[in-house]
Amino acid sequence: EPEVTQTPSHQVTQMGQEVILRCVPISNHLYFYWYRQILGQKVEFLVSFYNNEISEKSEIFDDQFSVERPDGSNFTLKIRSTKLEDSAMYFCASRGDRALGGGFGSGTRLTVV
Amino acid sequence: GENVEQHPSTLSVQEGDSAVIKCTYSDSASNYFPWYKQELGKGPQLIIDIRSNVGEKKDQRIAVTLNKTAKHFSLHITETQPEDSAVYFCAARRAGNMLTFGGGTRLMVKP
Repeated sequence: EPEVTQTPSHQVTQMGQEVILRCVPISNHLYFYWYRQILGQKVEFLVSFYNNEISEKSEIFDDQFSVERPDGSNFTLKIRSTKLEDSAMYFCASRGDRALGGGFGSGTRLTVV
Repeated sequence: GENVEQHPSTLSVQEGDSAVIKCTYSDSASNYFPWYKQELGKGPQLIIDIRSNVGEKKDQRIAVTLNKTAKHFSLHITETQPEDSAVYFCAARRAGNMLTFGGGTRLMVKP
């Protein structure tokens, strides 16, 4: 069964550094999402992406964040200058035009030190 | 925006018993309600979902009910097994919008 894949599984970075989290959505899916989950808390929406542009973003997704779909398969989340509070699990998700469920990746654990 | 409340936050049951997790939502325009199971160190996995034009859906030991008038929906797991132990999240979404998740329920099934 096709699945969303994310790399790396764990990334440690110094505060103030830039990080790029990578995702390969399910092939032929059209909607792409990033969510984050701070340890022990609920999953929170960051941004949705459709037709090569951001379709919706939350308050968390400030100017430090950006997303890109540089080619036909990858979907990336960039954090320009990481803060300690950016430490969390980041999940990528995708869904097709009619498929309401879609799938989540296994996540990238980002630790900012 | 949408607000989803989930109860209980923890639930402990004996193997073979049933488990019920309840969620309420605030946005009457929400029309899609998935349930996810999250095991330690993994991403949320969709286990069942329901659309607003359906009142109940069942898949083997798992069922979901939806009451649109009251704006609440529930997950029912029958004949629980130790491998059902995980954190379960409900979520709600309007057409085309993002998912809003509940706070999660840690289910523990004791053998």
